[in-house]
Amino acid sequence: DAGVTQSPTHLIKTRGQQVTLRCSPKSGHDTVSWYQQALGQGPQFIFQYYEEEERQRGNFPDRFSGHQFPNYSSELNVNALLLGDSALYLCASSGTGGYGYTFGSGTRLTVV
Amino acid sequence: SQKIEQNSEALNIQEGKTATLTCNYTNYSPAYLQWYRQDPGRGPVFLLLIRENEKEKRKERLKVTFDTTLKQSLFHITASQPADSATYLCALDGPGNTDKLIFGTGTRLQVFP
Repeated sequence: DAGVTQSPTHLIKTRGQQVTLRCSPKSGHDTVSWYQQALGQGPQFIFQYYEEEERQRGNFPDRFSGHQFPNYSSELNVNALLLGDSALYLCASSGTGGYGYTFGSGTRLTVV
Repeated sequence: SQKIEQNSEALNIQEGKTATLTCNYTNYSPAYLQWYRQDPGRGPVFLLLIRENEKEKRKERLKVTFDTTLKQSLFHITASQPADSATYLCALDGPGNTDKLIFGTGTRLQVFP
């Protein structure tokens, strides 16, 4: 049973560029959440998608946007990249039942 | 605003001993609390979830307690093994009992043979 799949695993971008990260949720899960994890910190909630709509959002600027597709996969887009956007970006999926989230291995984004 | 505190210093223990990690929170009352394990360069792995009306939950060598009066959760690993070495993250549902998780900074556990 494949868990959460994220791509790419690593990415290097230049300040001001735009990036798109992708996530396929675990089979049977319909909700996808995105988190940003800086080095030495806990993950910070960016937003959550359910039924192709953004259901909740954390304290991130509008430069961060997302999308969920009918097959429940999701994308995270970040525009006008800043050096401070360098982090591990994690996708987590969940279904009904409240039994915790399944995380992917993340995309390591480096902005230079 | 809500705050979650985990011991930022690494916990070093000998193999076979019980490791106890602490998670304290302030300024709100979560409906549930979760513990995750994270290895370097990997995503967190879900371990246990405990609800506000539960005092204790066990899974194999793991035990979690949840004291809503003290606003504290303790996470125990009994008979610890070097393979248990990792960072352990505490997470709570957000204010208003939303699905968004608020994570602590994690505690790094090192188990020595």
